[in-house]
Amino acid sequence: KAGVTQTPRYLIKTRGQQVTLSCSPISGHRSVSWYQQTPGQGLQFLFEYFSETQRNKGNFPGRFSGRQFSNSRSEMNVSTLELGDSALYLCASSLSGLTDTQYFGPGTRLTVL
Amino acid sequence: QKEVEQNSGPLSVPEGAIASLNCTYSDRGSQSFFWYRQYSGKSPELIMSIYSNGDKEDGRFTAQLNKASQYVSLLIRDSQPSDSATYLCAVNRNTNAGKSTFGDGTTLTVKP
Repeated sequence: KAGVTQTPRYLIKTRGQQVTLSCSPISGHRSVSWYQQTPGQGLQFLFEYFSETQRNKGNFPGRFSGRQFSNSRSEMNVSTLELGDSALYLCASSLSGLTDTQYFGPGTRLTVL
Repeated sequence: QKEVEQNSGPLSVPEGAIASLNCTYSDRGSQSFFWYRQYSGKSPELIMSIYSNGDKEDGRFTAQLNKASQYVSLLIRDSQPSDSATYLCAVNRNTNAGKSTFGDGTTLTVKP
């Protein structure tokens, strides 16, 4: 089975711009979660989608949003980028998103200049 | 107090030794527990999952869970230089959909 894929792998943007990241989960997985990883804050949960519905959300500003499509692929969007948004953005998929294992994609490295 | 705490690193062990990584969590309702390995610049890779009290072994890795003490550990036997990485402990519960709570990680170095 193919693993979780994320595109693009690297992205450089300037402050004020917006960005869209994409995630394709493992076939059959319906839950997609997004995390932000920075050296100072570690892995922080952004939100989770299951069957096109956001079920859970972390403590991030409204500039961070996401959606999920009927094929379980998910996108996250960050508007009005700030320098502090520079991070590794990780997508993880699982069957149910409850207590089962999450499998991570390779991540998108976002740099905001 | 952090929700998930890991023993502060870095941890250095000689090749062939046993590396012991520890993790405590504050939410008594936590139901599943995971250890991930993350190489520098890469994404987390699952090593072990454990759901019940006791030990679970997979090759050179053994996870131990004690829910009463809110403690989970990972033992790596016969450590190899390729085990050098940051190890992340994660916990979740079914009422917190899609969210695993991670510790800050312990960086392990295995010296040849």
